Amino acid sequence: TQLLEQSPQFLSIQEGENLTVYCNSSSVFSSLQWYRQEPGEGPVLLVTVVTGGEVKKLKRLTFQFGDARKDSSLHITAAQPGDTGLYLCAGSNSGYALNFGKGTSLLVTP
Amino acid sequence: DSGVTQTPKHLITATGQRVTLRCSPRSGDLSVYWYQQSLDQGLQFLIQYYNGEERAKGNILERFSAQQFPDLHSELNLSSLELGDSALYFCASSVRGSSTDTQYFGPGTRLTVL
Repeated sequence: TQLLEQSPQFLSIQEGENLTVYCNSSSVFSSLQWYRQEPGEGPVLLVTVVTGGEVKKLKRLTFQFGDARKDSSLHITAAQPGDTGLYLCAGSNSGYALNFGKGTSLLVTP
Repeated sequence: DSGVTQTPKHLITATGQRVTLRCSPRSGDLSVYWYQQSLDQGLQFLIQYYNGEERAKGNILERFSAQQFPDLHSELNLSSLELGDSALYFCASSVRGSSTDTQYFGPGTRLTVL
């Protein structure tokens, strides 16, 4: 099993602040995905990154895949209460299964 | 709404019992995945089926088994339940089951073993 470590584990910020969440591994992945999960629901895919150095933007969210395809980051600009949730990164390689990190639990308070 | 349905939403049972969790994939998706989510282990892949055949196995215990039926719905059977089996169980589906496919997750079944 290829381990993905996410940091920080918990993050509590106020509305309007910026934040960055990290996902690191010693393994190389062919692609990496970011999900958001809200209480009582399943994870929902936010983005997939496949190329080393790739940067993708989704409104106020910026995702980056490391050059060596071992790590990724998620940056949120001007966080809003609606961004509250569990952010999960998941790596995929030649197999079919996704290896998930344990997640970063984000709380944005008004 | 992802289009993946799971029943039941909640299940409370006793140690030693057996339960069956059910999943219906999105229309058109041929592959089904089962995951277990617990506070200490996070989201762990259990098993994948593609068009009725087992395709990949993860950290699935021998007490657990699954199958995918001709109509593509899937069932996860958990037997000889232990307290540590209490967790959220998610089903996901994708079109082809390849590593580049997007997996769509259902709302999960929360299993509590007392």
